[in-house]
Amino acid sequence: QVQLQESGPGLVKPSETLSLTCTVSGGSISSYYWSWIRQPPGKGLEWIGYIYYSGSTKSTNYNPSLKSRVTISVDTSKNQFSLKLSSVTAADTAVYYCARISGGTYHWYFDLWGRGTLVTVSS
Amino acid sequence: QTVVTQEPSFSVSPGGTVTLTCGLSSGSVSTSHYTSWYQQIPGQAPRTLIYSTNTRSSGVSDRFSGSILGNKAALTITGAQADDESDYYCVLYMGSGISVFGGGTKLTVL
Repeated sequence: QVQLQESGPGLVKPSETLSLTCTVSGGSISSYYWSWIRQPPGKGLEWIGYIYYSGSTKSTNYNPSLKSRVTISVDTSKNQFSLKLSSVTAADTAVYYCARISGGTYHWYFDLWGRGTLVTVSS
Repeated sequence: QTVVTQEPSFSVSPGGTVTLTCGLSSGSVSTSHYTSWYQQIPGQAPRTLIYSTNTRSSGVSDRFSGSILGNKAALTITGAQADDESDYYCVLYMGSGISVFGGGTKLTVL
């Protein structure tokens, strides 16, 4: 079955760029919606953004509160999608999850989740 | 900015029924928000319970049900069990691919 696995540095310095990758195994990354979600320690979940890719069609959208710092991209050759968050501060310390979105005419929800990876922002 | 509201905490007795709600700081929740509900045990990834307001995800017990109650979405758990003790999050779809999480409800079974 389809599985998601986050990877990337567990420690990032303030003002630098956080970069994470989600590898999709057991299925194709094309023609699905993919998302990043984060959870600061002891706090709730926050949607970061999504990407959709199919053939020549690509779409993205981001949480307005993070939009100026976030980029989500896809690499179909590696069946991966990635997150870049620039100018990080301690407030960006969180467990970062990648997830698949089941999106259609009458539904839009996260139907598959990675296990999450903790990223700490500290010098 | 859209704020999705949930009760911070709730408690239920074993075998009892509890209804958690998911509202909007401004306006009403409707079926067009495609409300989804997730259960999260601390330290684990969330698990999808309900989507499209009232459709149970595969493998989810029929003790969990979703609905619209008044101007809010609701998650009802019947016959509460000890392993229902978790954090519960709702998500509302705001259009254009934008999702907003509620702050979560910590459910205690005691």
